[in-house]
Amino acid sequence: KQEVTQIPAALSVPEGENLVLNCSFTDSAIYNLQWFRQDPGKGLTSLLLIQSSQREQTSGRLNASLDKSSGRSTLYIAASQPGDSATYLCAVRWATSGSRLTFGEGTQLTVNP
Amino acid sequence: DAGITQSPRHKVTETGTPVTLRCHQTENHRYMYWYRQDPGHGLRLIHYSYGVKDTDKGEVSDGYSVSRSKTEDFLLTLESATSSQTSVYFCAISPGPEQYFGPGTRLTVT
Repeated sequence: KQEVTQIPAALSVPEGENLVLNCSFTDSAIYNLQWFRQDPGKGLTSLLLIQSSQREQTSGRLNASLDKSSGRSTLYIAASQPGDSATYLCAVRWATSGSRLTFGEGTQLTVNP
Repeated sequence: DAGITQSPRHKVTETGTPVTLRCHQTENHRYMYWYRQDPGHGLRLIHYSYGVKDTDKGEVSDGYSVSRSKTEDFLLTLESATSSQTSVYFCAISPGPEQYFGPGTRLTVT
């Protein structure tokens, strides 16, 4: 079964710390992987998309990496700020499932001032 | 702003009543999706559409139907709402490889 897992479910860090969020997936045959941010009571904001042929993508303080062979992606956040507090979701588009996304349950990040 | 609106944003309804949620996009993107988000399950695909009158089921389609008579609108209908359909419903579009999500509709079935 094609599944996506995010561990830990929650993470609390002091402001200024560099941190890594993890996403693992059970099938290496992916088309792309997308990272989202969700604030409480809000919709999802797309952060980064990594195509299957890419190893990483960067946007500002965010860097996402992809290792298909090990079934892992990481989202690196540099110099974390309280405004980064949110739930971070990863979603996989499988190579065999058309345009559908399979989501992990997310990591709830709290950055303490 | 991906140009997606959802209506209503909040709704409370009674068990057994029909409910229709609307997703509207301001562009003419071919692909549109309906997801539901529940604690312990994350987001799960209900139905999706790849063009006017072209729709297909997702992983949790039982109890739901969809219609797409115009490119810009994708409707999700709960024919007879049940308490298990209490959830937050998100619409998404896919103008390219990325998916972009609407603000969501919080539905409570009492």
